[in-house]
Amino acid sequence: EIVLTQSPGTLSLSPGERATLSCRASQSVSSSYLAWYQQKFGQAPRLLIYGASSRATGIPDRFSGSGSGTDFTLTISRLEPEDFAVYYCQQYDNSLWTFGQGTKVEIK
Amino acid sequence: QVQLQQWGAGLLKPSETLSLTCVVYGVSFSNYYWSWIRQPPGKGLEWIGEINNSGSTIYNPSLKSRVTVSVDTSKHQFSLRLTSVTAADTAVYYCASSRRYSDYHWDYYMDLWGKGTTVTVSS
Repeated sequence: EIVLTQSPGTLSLSPGERATLSCRASQSVSSSYLAWYQQKFGQAPRLLIYGASSRATGIPDRFSGSGSGTDFTLTISRLEPEDFAVYYCQQYDNSLWTFGQGTKVEIK
Repeated sequence: QVQLQQWGAGLLKPSETLSLTCVVYGVSFSNYYWSWIRQPPGKGLEWIGEINNSGSTIYNPSLKSRVTVSVDTSKHQFSLRLTSVTAADTAVYYCASSRRYSDYHWDYYMDLWGKGTTVTVSS
């Protein structure tokens, strides 16, 4: 089973700042199977990035994904008030979907 | 309009069976795989199982002995059964798409989600 470890656990930033979230896999992940989600309190997750770097429909271009192999990054170039939420990475491998434990982006 | 509507019992006693159903509107049902995901209070997301239009399933090994995911293609719906529940199964349960057929290949991501059903297990 591939384990995804996200860091940091919590990121305290101000609106307008840049957020860099990390997702590290216990073994190599196909980029095609790596996605990022945003979840706000009381809501279902929302797909942000798929295929490691492709933005989902309707996602603003301040969100970008990068990485390959075991190291992936979600970057929010300038935080808007609505971006403060929890972010999860996810992968699929060998008939098993797994999620990272999440990174909370909170207002400083 | 694309919509996943889910329903099922919200309060169970230990040892009972959890049953949830999700109906899909507004997309070609057969062009997707469908999954169940859960989230315990204050915790992260856990994938439970997945099914396709043909009824082929895969399950999280940690739950496999208690889980059944089934599909009714005529009604565009799929269902989850989890037997012998305990307090550890208390969570919000989501239905979601998990693979999408597009341009002659399958994309692997979950872009359609239900709103979630809160299930509490308590004696």
